[in-house]
Amino acid sequence: NAGVMQNPRHLVRRRGQEARLRCSPMKGHSHVYWYRQLPEEGLKFMVYLQKENIIDESGMPKERFSAEFPKEGPSILRIQQVVRGDSAAYFCASSPGTYYEQYFGPGTRLTVT
Amino acid sequence: AQSVTQLDSHVSVSEGTPVLLRCNYSSSYSPSLFWYVQHPNKGLQLLLKYTSAATLVKGINGFEAEFKKSETSFHLTKPSAHMSDAAEYFCVVTRMNRDDKIIFGKGTRLHILP
Repeated sequence: NAGVMQNPRHLVRRRGQEARLRCSPMKGHSHVYWYRQLPEEGLKFMVYLQKENIIDESGMPKERFSAEFPKEGPSILRIQQVVRGDSAAYFCASSPGTYYEQYFGPGTRLTVT
Repeated sequence: AQSVTQLDSHVSVSEGTPVLLRCNYSSSYSPSLFWYVQHPNKGLQLLLKYTSAATLVKGINGFEAEFKKSETSFHLTKPSAHMSDAAEYFCVVTRMNRDDKIIFGKGTRLHILP
């Protein structure tokens, strides 16, 4: 059973470009969570999605950030018009349900130049 | 409301000596508690979880944690540290309610001295 997959592992974008991060949950998992980790800081919750639904996006910045989890395909975290402050590691996790532990992917390290 | 506090941002122990990473939580309801480990440039790996069954929980790599409701604590321990245990450890709290987020502690970085 493959774990949570994230790609790309490393992404470099210039200021103003768009960053698109993908997350494929573990087989059988229909719940996906996105987190951001800044250097020397803990994980900050961003958004919680189920298939075709955003359940909780209270951790998402109000502008430039969006997330989706379509019926088919991976979950996507999209950051428009990136700025230097968006440089961070972005982790995706999945679980089979709300009450279960989360399994994490290896992360995508975004660098904005 | 829920919160979790990891009391030490850094802990250093010598190889072969016991490890204690402290975590206190606050929750209005019966919590579910987890410990995750993150090695450098890696994702998070679940070490162990407490979900209202046995209060002493055994995890992977020789780690265990004890849920103490009276002290609102869920400290992580290991009898004998190994060099490979050097990593960042996160204590996590949630509860059995679909409206609750998972709350991560700020993390404790464990250093193992040779």
